[in-house]
Amino acid sequence: EVQLVESGGGLVQPGGSLRLSCVASGITVSDYWMNWVRQAPGKGLVWVSRISSEGSTTDYADSVKGRFTISRDSAKNTLYLQMNSLGAEDTALYSCARGTFRNGMDVWGQGTTVTVSS
Amino acid sequence: QSVLTQPPSVSAAPGQKVTISCSGSSSNIGSGYVSWYQQLPGTAPKLLISENDKRPSGIADRFSGSKSGTSATLGITGLQTGDEADYYCASWDSSLRAGVFGGGTKLTVL
Repeated sequence: EVQLVESGGGLVQPGGSLRLSCVASGITVSDYWMNWVRQAPGKGLVWVSRISSEGSTTDYADSVKGRFTISRDSAKNTLYLQMNSLGAEDTALYSCARGTFRNGMDVWGQGTTVTVSS
Repeated sequence: QSVLTQPPSVSAAPGQKVTISCSGSSSNIGSGYVSWYQQLPGTAPKLLISENDKRPSGIADRFSGSKSGTSATLGITGLQTGDEADYYCASWDSSLRAGVFGGGTKLTVL
């Protein structure tokens, strides 16, 4: 069964950092483009970042550029999102998803919740 | 304000047809592809349409997608109460070099 499971979310103070993980089973993370998408409570989907299947290309939403870093560990079959300088506007459910905007994101995790508050 | 514009809500009766529009620009829909997602309450998004009009395996043919210029449309026929959900369009924006989602459309099946 193909599955993505996120972890690493939690409550963090403004200005703090968190590293989110997305462990894949049934697929090999390094074979696909992978994305992070977030959804603030009661709000819509917002794309955050992506990494190419080769690992050589990474892209970020303007709102997180310079603060977030996407990466992966092929040996652990895990996708990561390092989040620094967090602000209240980063409070959301963060989900990882496999795919591209052309072929669609066809596998999604259930997400991990990040709350930025003092 | 989302880069892709969707109506906040649509509604129709069971068995009827509904369309959801997604308006973009030449740097996203106009030069690329659109995908559509269904998000049932409390669940992860589900891919309904890829490459403007392709249905992944397992998606009912009641769901269809089309694109014209800088706009796209999701159509749902034979509406069922189980179709009540939020629907999102998405595309890659070559100018922003970023993915963009529409603001989402809440479908109510009356």
